[in-house]
Formats: sequence, C-alpha cells, structure tokens
Amino acid sequence: GAVVSQHPSWVICKSGTSVKIECRSLDFQATTMFWYRQFPKQSLMLMATSNEGSKATYEQGVEKDKFLINHASLTLSTLTVTSAHPEDSSFYICSAPLVKGVNEKLFFGSGTQLSVL
Amino acid sequence: AQSVAQPEDQVNVAEGNPLTVKCTYSVSGNPYLFWYVQYPNRGLQFLLKYITGDNLVKGSYGFEAEFNKSQTSFHLKKPSALVSDSALYFCAVRDTTMNRDDKIIFGKGTRLHILP
Repeated sequence: GAVVSQHPSWVICKSGTSVKIECRSLDFQATTMFWYRQFPKQSLMLMATSNEGSKATYEQGVEKDKFLINHASLTLSTLTVTSAHPEDSSFYICSAPLVKGVNEKLFFGSGTQLSVL
Repeated sequence: AQSVAQPEDQVNVAEGNPLTVKCTYSVSGNPYLFWYVQYPNRGLQFLLKYITGDNLVKGSYGFEAEFNKSQTSFHLKKPSALVSDSALYFCAVRDTTMNRDDKIIFGKGTRLHILP
C-alpha cells in the first residue's frame, strides 16, 4: 500500500532555533499534503494544506511566518517551525491523499514529536 | 462549521465481546465520514469510510460502522474484539458542501483497551 514517510520521528531543540520536518510520499505522487498538530487528549488539528508548486493554505489562527511550508516536488513537503518556543512543543503529523479531490483515503506519516527546551 | 464528537476518552472491552466506539458529527450538508486507527509509534491508518449508499459500512480488520442520519452518528463496531484491536481511534468528517476540497476534521480520539 501507499506509504508516507515522515522524518525525524522526534526532535529536541533549544528555544529560538528552527526545526524542519519532512514528509515524503514514497510510492505515489501527492500534489496535496496536509499538516496536522496533535495535542494530548485532543484531536488532530489541521494546520495547513500544502500544494505542489503553489503557496500553502493555512487554517485560521495558524501563523504563516511561524510555520513555513514548502511543497517543492510531487513527493516532498516540508514544515519548518521557525524560532521555536516551548509552546510549539507538540506532535506534528503529515498526511497525503492517494486520490486527489476527495480525500477518501489518507495516508499518514508516523509523526514527529517536537520538544522545545 | 463542521465538527466531530467522540464522547468517550477510553473504552474497555473484554476480548471476544462486541465493541462500540461512538462518534457524532455536525455538518451543514451531506457528510463524508471516516474512521482511522493509530497504533503506538505508527501513523494513522484508514479503517473505513461512508460516502453514500448503504448505511452499514464494512472496513478493515473486521470493523464496521453504521451511518445514522437522524442521530447524526457514525459509531464504529466490531462483533468480537481482539487484544490487538487496542489502539487510539479517530472519527473524522468532511462536509461535502465546503467550498474548499479535502478539508477533514477529526474527533479527539477514543482509546480502546481490549482486556484479555
């Protein structure tokens, strides 16, 4: 089946530094990828939708300059948390639809646990 | 705005017994409904979906879900639970009347414990 690879699985960084998270679709092309943030005991929150070759679409309340998204190719999307602070510590998950237009089947990365000291 | 509610944080079921994980939704139009499962240290996996047609949807690993429009529910069920079913389950909804495609909203998740 389709596989989405997310890297790194976990990262610890100092406050003020930037962290890049990669999301790759390994055996299919993904013109769209989704970035979620998961808080403990809460749902996945959609942060933004990345679109290959164009600007990402951010959800309300998500800072564009804080969470930089780049979808440079049909198989790679990156999320960069700029100038990270402890409140950015969270579990970040990417996903990609196998069928464009109707995300009736999403494939998810394994997630990245970010801890900002 | 669309929303999903999973009223139970945790459900405990004895192995071999039937299980139900509850989900209710709210959308302005017709919903697409999904169930996903998250095993420890792994990504979310798709279980099943309801788009249209029969209200009873069958999915992976013996799971099924029943779409009930009058009760706006989409409960996940399995006739006989296995210990390996222990995981975190997410219900999700997409409002088909949304102008933007591909936006899906997840519930907060229900942790299912199957007791040997």
